[in-house]
Amino acid sequence: LAKTTQPISMDSYEGQEVNITCSHNNIATNDYITWYQQFPSQGPRFIIQGYKTKVTNEVASLFIPADRKSSTLSLPRVSLSDTAVYYCLVGVLNYGGSQGNLIFGKGTKLSVKP
Amino acid sequence: GAGVSQSPSNKVTEKGKDVELRCDPISGHTALYWYRQSLGQGLEFLIYFQGNSAPDKSGLPSDRFSAERTGGSVSTLTIQRTQQEDSAVYLCASSLGGGSRTQYFGPGTRLLVL
Repeated sequence: LAKTTQPISMDSYEGQEVNITCSHNNIATNDYITWYQQFPSQGPRFIIQGYKTKVTNEVASLFIPADRKSSTLSLPRVSLSDTAVYYCLVGVLNYGGSQGNLIFGKGTKLSVKP
Repeated sequence: GAGVSQSPSNKVTEKGKDVELRCDPISGHTALYWYRQSLGQGLEFLIYFQGNSAPDKSGLPSDRFSAERTGGSVSTLTIQRTQQEDSAVYLCASSLGGGSRTQYFGPGTRLLVL
């Protein structure tokens, strides 16, 4: 299982764009990159997933360079409600095999200030 | 549709007692995960069920911890002879498959061992 490294914490202000970078130097060919968001007293929630290049949805964008050894979650124009912990995970997209758990690290604690 | 549900939402017990935590996954999800999250920490993987395959128990911290999944649906996590260090939030998640398939988390059970 590929290990990920991301900053422990980040601070931002409302309206700014926030970029959180995750390193995963030993990512495997079949691994996907997934980001989750966790608010206090709640379980994590899926944000975005990608394999290469760029993925965008209504919440965020995910940038993955050609070597896939890192990825960047981009949150446009953050608000106070984006204050949360963001987890980066890598793992195989498995359709039913016996292996396939993902490792959640400590994540990045994002604090958005007014 | 209904999401992942967990019960009880809170549990206070005395050291040495046994506790059972229940998880009802989303209907049709073949994969089910249990995690533990201590205060201010990331998620610690405990156990993973996928269809009829043997569960991945590699994350269980000791033989006091066990889990079952009956009929491929409801799961019960049992902690025997609880210790104070078992105090944490226990989160359950389910997904359509293993690996990087999107995991949907329940609200968690807050366990406090006195």
